Amino acid sequence: GAVVSQHPSRVICKSGTSVKIECRSLDFQATTMFWYRQFPKKSLMLMATSNEGSKATYEQGVEKDKFLINHASLTLSTLTVTSAHPEDSSFYICSANVGAEAFFGQGTRLTVV
Amino acid sequence: SQQGEEDPQALSIQEGENATMNCSYKTSINNLQWYRQNSGRGLVHLILIRSNEREKHSGRLRVTLDTSKKSSSLLITASRAADTASYFCATDAGNDMRFGAGTRLTVKP
Repeated sequence: GAVVSQHPSRVICKSGTSVKIECRSLDFQATTMFWYRQFPKKSLMLMATSNEGSKATYEQGVEKDKFLINHASLTLSTLTVTSAHPEDSSFYICSANVGAEAFFGQGTRLTVV
Repeated sequence: SQQGEEDPQALSIQEGENATMNCSYKTSINNLQWYRQNSGRGLVHLILIRSNEREKHSGRLRVTLDTSKKSSSLLITASRAADTASYFCATDAGNDMRFGAGTRLTVKP
């Protein structure tokens, strides 16, 4: 089946620095990818829809300048958490669809210290 | 990452009928969540059931969890054409989330 690869799986960064998370579709092209965030013991929250070649669509309440999304190719979308703060610590996961089937990255656990 | 299995992979019913989808998983979990995805859209959270709960209701949705069998079911009662979507279960084991392959539900008017 299709594979979505997300990297890194874990990252620890200092407060004020930026962190880039990559999401790649390995054997299919994805014009759309989704980025989610999960707080401990909570459900996933859709942050934004990443569109290849155009601006991402952000959900209400998600700061677009804080969470920069770039979808420059049909196989790669990146999420950059800028000027990270401890409250940005969370589990981030991406997904992409092949038709009605969704495929998920492995997720990235971000810890900001 | 994907784990677990959902069945059926596809389900087609008439409006008004009930739809039951099942999810099995392999590891111990903190909670299990069900999501819905409409074509071209992101996942929408439907319901979360904790490992110490056996059943949970939300409107026309009923979720059961059997941790001894490592399985869960999602029942949609009195289905509507608007319920047509893909439904995914996700398990939260604390370190990460894992998703089933999903069930594609079609509700015919």
